[in-house]
Amino acid sequence: AQTVTQSQPEMSVQEAETVTLSCTYDTSESDYYLFWYKQPPSRQMILVIRQEAYKQQNATENRFSVNFQKAAKSFSLKISDSQLGDAAMYFCAYRTIRDDKIIFGKGTRLHILP
Amino acid sequence: DAGVIQSPRHEVTEMGQEVTLRCKPISGHNSLFWYRQTMMRGLELLIYFNNNVPIDDSGMPEDRFSAKMPNASFSTLKIQPSEPRDSAVYFCASRRHMNTEAFFGQGTRLTVV
Repeated sequence: AQTVTQSQPEMSVQEAETVTLSCTYDTSESDYYLFWYKQPPSRQMILVIRQEAYKQQNATENRFSVNFQKAAKSFSLKISDSQLGDAAMYFCAYRTIRDDKIIFGKGTRLHILP
Repeated sequence: DAGVIQSPRHEVTEMGQEVTLRCKPISGHNSLFWYRQTMMRGLELLIYFNNNVPIDDSGMPEDRFSAKMPNASFSTLKIQPSEPRDSAVYFCASRRHMNTEAFFGQGTRLTVV
């Protein structure tokens, strides 16, 4: 069974600094998708970034980038120039290409220190 | 597009009562998911539908939970009878079949007292 593990329940970073959130997953599949979702206090789940496993190039969305290590089954999220609005729960998620199930990690709560 | 719409946003009910949560997916999306979020267990997939057909309900905790999707624009999640341990935030999400990401509603916070 596929699993997603986020080993950091909480993290803090100074505003304008860079922070990296960790995620590892377990799967026997070779083709799949990985995602990072953000959940601010409003409760809304917002897609931050996604990565297709067949792509070697790491995905980037403005200040957000990932370090995808397929062999190590690692998918970390880097947030550059952290802003107060980045404070939220961040969930790593996985989906195979064969079905629609999206499996989430337990989340990392990110605090931004002014 | 209004996004995924869930109602109600908050629900407080007494133990033993029936609770119905509602979801309107994004128009044109073929897949619909129900998730439950708690502090202890995080986000758990309860059930999902493709083209209104339930595909996998292995995450439904017990027979007290049931979900329906009578048409492409509406789904319900029912708990009967409700128990305090059902207290959680319930999310509905939808996805266009060929795309990769799911779009979430704002969730229903259920409190069973």
